[in-house]
Amino acid sequence: DVKVTQSSRYLVKRTGEKVFLECVQDMDHENMFWYRQDPGLGLRLIYFSYDVKMKEKGDIPEGYSVSREKKERFSLILESASTNQTSMYLCASSRGLAGNYEQYFGPGTRLTVT
Amino acid sequence: GQQVMQIPQYQHVQEGEDFTTYCNSSTTLSNIQWYKQRPGGHPVFLIQLVKSGEVKKQKRLTFQFGEAKKNSSLHITATQTTDVGTYFCAANFGNEKLTFGTGTRLTIIP
Repeated sequence: DVKVTQSSRYLVKRTGEKVFLECVQDMDHENMFWYRQDPGLGLRLIYFSYDVKMKEKGDIPEGYSVSREKKERFSLILESASTNQTSMYLCASSRGLAGNYEQYFGPGTRLTVT
Repeated sequence: GQQVMQIPQYQHVQEGEDFTTYCNSSTTLSNIQWYKQRPGGHPVFLIQLVKSGEVKKQKRLTFQFGEAKKNSSLHITATQTTDVGTYFCAANFGNEKLTFGTGTRLTIIP
């Protein structure tokens, strides 16, 4: 069974803290993605990676960075968390280019920044 | 930027009634995918449509891709309580990423 796991289901951080969200997939997928989900806005792409050490900006990359040192792991970093980054964060992976292959999602991390 | 509009945002139906959600784009799509997210869960892939005018069925679910490849719909016949959730379309504009619609939340009145 394919699996995407995320390090935390719930996280509470303070404004200004550095936050790391980890995602691991066990499917040997090339592509990995980070989205945030907010009510009424759907899923918005933050960053994606199509290979180790490669990254591409999505639609809302401001305030975020990513790291992909190993194929199975994709990290999202909030350099200095702000209250407007309170959201549900979803990681996903796919076998090939997005749009041509289905994406498998992790359970999500609900981040609250106070 | 490239956007896909999804309507309605909410739909409340009596159990046994039909349900439809629509996605529209102003530009031609390469293909479109549909996902379902149960309450408290994560999005799960349902189907991908690629060809102009394509129609695919999965039991009570019917998916359509418009002739111009600018719109798509998901229709559920005779809804059941297990259909509850939010349905998202996800459009591929020919680049490496998907653009998700805002979703339609379906609630069922037993």
